Amino acid sequence: DAGITQSPRYKITETGRQVTLMCHQTWSHSYMFWYRQDLGHGLRLIYYSAAADITDKGEVPDGYVVSRSKTENFPLTLESATRSQTSVYFCASSELAGATYEQYFGPGTRLTVT
Amino acid sequence: AQSVSQHNHHVILSEAASLELGCNYSYGGTVNLFWYVQYPGQHLQLLLKYFSGDPLVKGIKGFEAEFINSKFSFNLRKPSVQWSDTAEYFCAVHTGFQKLVFGTGTRLLVSP
Repeated sequence: DAGITQSPRYKITETGRQVTLMCHQTWSHSYMFWYRQDLGHGLRLIYYSAAADITDKGEVPDGYVVSRSKTENFPLTLESATRSQTSVYFCASSELAGATYEQYFGPGTRLTVT
Repeated sequence: AQSVSQHNHHVILSEAASLELGCNYSYGGTVNLFWYVQYPGQHLQLLLKYFSGDPLVKGIKGFEAEFINSKFSFNLRKPSVQWSDTAEYFCAVHTGFQKLVFGTGTRLLVSP
């Protein structure tokens, strides 16, 4: 039971480069989320998806792009990385059925933009 | 806008001390509240959640939280902490469409 996996776990990139962070879940959960975690800000929602081909902006979407062609995958792309996007990124998933609203988190990707 | 406030940013306790971490929320709808824990180098895990019914919620590892609607609070408690409770703790409120809004977190350090 793999749950949620994220890759890469660590990434260093340069300003201006495009970077894609991958997220894969094995539970077939309907909802998926991307957060960034920064000191003093806690977790902030970047984008979320209610199902394949349905995505919506969260609190801090600028500079990020997402897609969801398959239920199990939810990649996050930084189109032109900036130093302010240095952060730890967490992917999460949630199942609509049962209305528990509980989110299950992946191990995170630590991204450094130089 | 919906928000969650955690006023204790850093807490240092000795083993066996009692713990109470504050959480206040601002949300006008039906309240569903959560406490998550993040151990060093790990992902977030659910400690406990409140949906309805008994306002005193018991979670894993001896943690509990009390929902007080009149005070808009959902404080986390543990009678006797252990060194292994060293972690960051996040309070969150469900705001619709499966979305959670998280507080800024409280870093707990338990000294042996």
